[in-house]
Amino acid sequence: EPEVTQTPSHQVTQMGQEVILRCVPISNHLYFYWYRQILGQKVEFLVSFYNNEISEKSEIFDDQFSVERPDGSNFTLKIRSTKLEDSAMYFCASTPGRGSYEQYFGPGTRLTVT
Amino acid sequence: AQSVAQPEDQVNVAEGNPLTVKCTYSVSGNPYLFWYVQYPNRGLQFLLKYITGDNLVKGSYGFEAEFNKSQTSFHLKKPSALVSDSALYFCAVRDPFYSNYQLIWGAGTKLIIKP
Repeated sequence: EPEVTQTPSHQVTQMGQEVILRCVPISNHLYFYWYRQILGQKVEFLVSFYNNEISEKSEIFDDQFSVERPDGSNFTLKIRSTKLEDSAMYFCASTPGRGSYEQYFGPGTRLTVT
Repeated sequence: AQSVAQPEDQVNVAEGNPLTVKCTYSVSGNPYLFWYVQYPNRGLQFLLKYITGDNLVKGSYGFEAEFNKSQTSFHLKKPSALVSDSALYFCAVRDPFYSNYQLIWGAGTKLIIKP
């Protein structure tokens, strides 16, 4: 069964550094998402992406964040100038298309900012 | 504001007994409701959804959930629990009045099935 994959599984970075989290959505899916979960807190929506542009974003997704689909398979989340409070589990998800409501999630990348 | 509540941090059930994991929601429009399960070191796996139609929906691994509009609830159920059902369960809602994509999540309920 096709799965969403994410790399790396764990990323440690120093405060102020830039990180790129990578995701490979399921191959025929058209909609892509990033969520995060700070330890002990709820899962939070960051952004959705369709047709090579952001379709929706939350208040969390400020100028520090950006997303990109650099080729036909990868979907990346870039966090510039990381802060301690960016430490969280970041989940990528994808959906086949209109009429499909469930989102399929990857295993997550645990980001630790020191 | 949209929100999802899972009132129990943990639910303990003996193997073979029925289980219920509770979820209530608050949205403006007609909700799209979902249950996901998370096993250790794994991602969030989709279990089932309610979009429209029959209030009782069936999903993976023998789970089902009942949409109750008057009580704004979407409780997850299974008639006979297995030890392998032990995991973290999340309820999520999309409010189509506000968003085409964003899922709002509950805090999760840890389900422990004892042999």
